[in-house]
Amino acid sequence: GQSLEQPSEVTAVEGAIVQINCTYQTSGFYGLSWYQQHDGGAPTFLSYNALDGLEETGRFSSFLSRSDSYGYLLLQELQMKDSASYFCAVRDQNQGGKLIFGQGTELSVKP
Amino acid sequence: DSGVTQTPKHLITATGQRVTLRCSPRSGDLSVYWYQQSLDQGLQFLIQYYNGEERAKGNILERFSAQQFPDLHSELNLSSLELGDSALYFCASSVAEQGARDEQFFGPGTRLTVL
Repeated sequence: GQSLEQPSEVTAVEGAIVQINCTYQTSGFYGLSWYQQHDGGAPTFLSYNALDGLEETGRFSSFLSRSDSYGYLLLQELQMKDSASYFCAVRDQNQGGKLIFGQGTELSVKP
Repeated sequence: DSGVTQTPKHLITATGQRVTLRCSPRSGDLSVYWYQQSLDQGLQFLIQYYNGEERAKGNILERFSAQQFPDLHSELNLSSLELGDSALYFCASSVAEQGARDEQFFGPGTRLTVL
């Protein structure tokens, strides 16, 4: 089966850089996705890594190491609006588009 | 706005009742996914439909069922409701059976409260 682990909460100050880690166990791996969810809102897609390395999209970057079954989401120049929950997710190789989500990391950005 | 719509936004009902949640995917998307999110919990996958056919199933209770209609909208039926069914129910859609880059577009959710 699949399982993912990520920290439950992280706190940082405005303007800082924060890294949210995700380790996964899966019988088959396609890629690691990240989603952002503001309190009670719809999750929104942030990034996807299928290959090792860093993918950068503006202030957000995502990294993957397939050999270590590890990835992280890096948020730079933190803003108050970045306070949200961040979920990593992997696909279940045996069931099409089924995504397995981690429990989420709640990021609090302080002034 | 993701383009995915869900109705109703809020639903309050009593234990033992039956409710239907509705989802319209983004225009052109053939896959619809249903997720349950309980308080302070992650997203639990319930079921996926692709072009009207069931494609993947999560830990969906037997009291729950879903379908996708020819116009691609989907409904999630929850019956014999229990207090523990209170949660946010999200619908998501993607173009393909497996979302490109695993990207799924989520609707605003239906908040179900069972009293």
